[in-house]
Amino acid sequence: DAGITQSPRYKITETGRQVTLMCHQTWSHSYMFWYRQDLGHGLRLIYYSAAADITDKGEVPDGYVVSRSKTENFPLTLESATRSQTSVYFCASSESRVYGYTFGSGTRLTVV
Amino acid sequence: LAKTTQPISMDSYEGQEVNITCSHNNIATNDYITWYQQFPSQGPRFIIQGYKTKVTNEVASLFIPADRKSSTLSLPRVSLSDTAVYYCLVVANTGGFKTIFGAGTRLFVKA
Repeated sequence: DAGITQSPRYKITETGRQVTLMCHQTWSHSYMFWYRQDLGHGLRLIYYSAAADITDKGEVPDGYVVSRSKTENFPLTLESATRSQTSVYFCASSESRVYGYTFGSGTRLTVV
Repeated sequence: LAKTTQPISMDSYEGQEVNITCSHNNIATNDYITWYQQFPSQGPRFIIQGYKTKVTNEVASLFIPADRKSSTLSLPRVSLSDTAVYYCLVVANTGGFKTIFGAGTRLFVKA
């Protein structure tokens, strides 16, 4: 199916564990983004990527790692999960960094 | 750096026009303004984008005054299904790339 897909939809993990959130898009958009959404903070940019093998930090990158070996995939890894990383994570893609973004359905991550 | 401010909530009735204003006083020359709609348990959905003056598409209009320090999303003849949270976003291209989302306006449409 065409679109942007995030997996898993829900995830519960323990403090200190590594967890990877997946994002896949089928449009061959150059740009991909990871956001987290928290009450009181709105949507904040974690990392973004302009193309395969090109990534850059956003507003809140600490504790996160990204990679983009293929244009269509942009996984987000929490190397050692902390409770403060409990959030809803959204992946988005776009033809450019200023054009309207298409968001996935989100991953609700709970760190216990 | 542009900071965005929106009303926390708004109420309306079906069939009315709704205008939601976002202020972004420090917007820079190369920054763009985008509006998104979000329903519970879904990702934000793109509504409209503009740089200056007025932009209209099939679902909304976006009004941006000459000084660009604010923008107004206009939803004509809202229905119950327009009940959602609406976010303005400033995409900042000056001094590095940043995306500044507003805190969102919760629109409740009543019958």
